[in-house]
Amino acid sequence: DSGVTQTPKHLITATGQRVTLRCSPRSGDLSVYWYQQSLDQGLQFLIQYYNGEERAKGNILERFSAQQFPDLHSELNLSSLELGDSALYFCASSRVGTGKDTQYFGPGTRLTVL
Amino acid sequence: KNQVEQSPQSLIILEGKNCTLQCNYTVSPFSNLRWYKQDTGRGPVSLTIMTFSENTKSNGRYTATLDADTKQSSLHITASQLSDSASYICVVSEGGGFKTIFGAGTRLFVKA
Repeated sequence: DSGVTQTPKHLITATGQRVTLRCSPRSGDLSVYWYQQSLDQGLQFLIQYYNGEERAKGNILERFSAQQFPDLHSELNLSSLELGDSALYFCASSRVGTGKDTQYFGPGTRLTVL
Repeated sequence: KNQVEQSPQSLIILEGKNCTLQCNYTVSPFSNLRWYKQDTGRGPVSLTIMTFSENTKSNGRYTATLDADTKQSSLHITASQLSDSASYICVVSEGGGFKTIFGAGTRLFVKA
């Protein structure tokens, strides 16, 4: 158990809908990362937050947005969902988010878009 | 274009044997290289992190090497166990270390 929690574990929804994925980092970790893992694309970095502020952005679509709250938990919002958005979404956290510290991954949220 | 390529795509070995997985990258500027182990359907677990100046790092039976000149890394697994069956993913960070590029992974099967 990495200490990172993600909810829900599974999510099934329809195209065009909007969903919110939630992540709670390990105690004491200030940085949160979001990743997408699909069968055809592998793991991709989406976005990173540090202490409430966006620090780095990867291949995140404009239909997706994220934020980190004052209590350090983070949410990833996915809107206008398409079939291709079906994937495992992982959240990871690290102590200071320098890009060189160890990242601890949560168990993931499996999103299925029908 | 920044890329990370891993080989082989998959590998089958007998329990107790050693194996080596390869990672070649074209990421520039280079910040650090990580190896992760990922069991099916679970989150990746960090094995090693290496910066430019480090050329070897060990974590138990896992030893990673880095040649920053040739932009190659390897992960050596010693005395494999059934629980080593997993995907091994090489990840390279560019610039300040905030943007990461993932390799497609090597799927390792350890058989009794």
